[in-house]
Amino acid sequence: GAVVSQHPSWVICKSGTSVKIECRSLDFQATTMFWYRQFPKQSLMLMATSNEGSKATYEQGVEKDKFLINHASLTLSTLTVTSAHPEDSSFYICSAHRAETQYFGPGTRLLVL
Amino acid sequence: TQLLEQSPQFLSIQEGENLTVYCNSSSVFSSLQWYRQEPGEGPVLLVTVVTGGEVKKLKRLTFQFGDARKDSSLHITAAQPGDTGLYLCAGGSGGGADGLTFGKGTHLIIQP
Repeated sequence: GAVVSQHPSWVICKSGTSVKIECRSLDFQATTMFWYRQFPKQSLMLMATSNEGSKATYEQGVEKDKFLINHASLTLSTLTVTSAHPEDSSFYICSAHRAETQYFGPGTRLLVL
Repeated sequence: TQLLEQSPQFLSIQEGENLTVYCNSSSVFSSLQWYRQEPGEGPVLLVTVVTGGEVKKLKRLTFQFGDARKDSSLHITAAQPGDTGLYLCAGGSGGGADGLTFGKGTHLIIQP
């Protein structure tokens, strides 16, 4: 199978702090990973594409200086939400690309107080 | 901008009935994927279709990719309470190396 993990599964932080979320492909290598955000009762929205060894590409309307992405190895991508605000509270989900398909992690619930 | 219109958004039916969920777009996709998502969890892949006209079956679920690769359908036969969940279609381009465009999802409830 193709297993993707995320850590942490949930996090609560104070407004103004930064939060790092990890996404790992456990049994395969992924040169490309993706980060999505899902608000309650809504579908997934692509935030950015994370490319191993190069800069991430961001979707329109997503601030690259606020959502820092680092893809340092073929099995790990990290998303750092900097200076988090309550409106950043959401469900963040990563996926890893393998053979025409994307396999999703279990998601990280972020609550910013 | 590619958009996927998924319908219906909500569907509540009795156990044993059949149902179809539709996913339509004006754009062509290289692949289309169907996922099921439980509350508080990530989407779980059900199927990937890549060839126009392709039909795939997964037990009581039948997936079809339109000839023009712009639309897809999910048909469930003899629905069971265990089928309850959020079903998402997602279109991919660039051989899967690009991010997916998701439909808004169909919230399905199967009543015993």
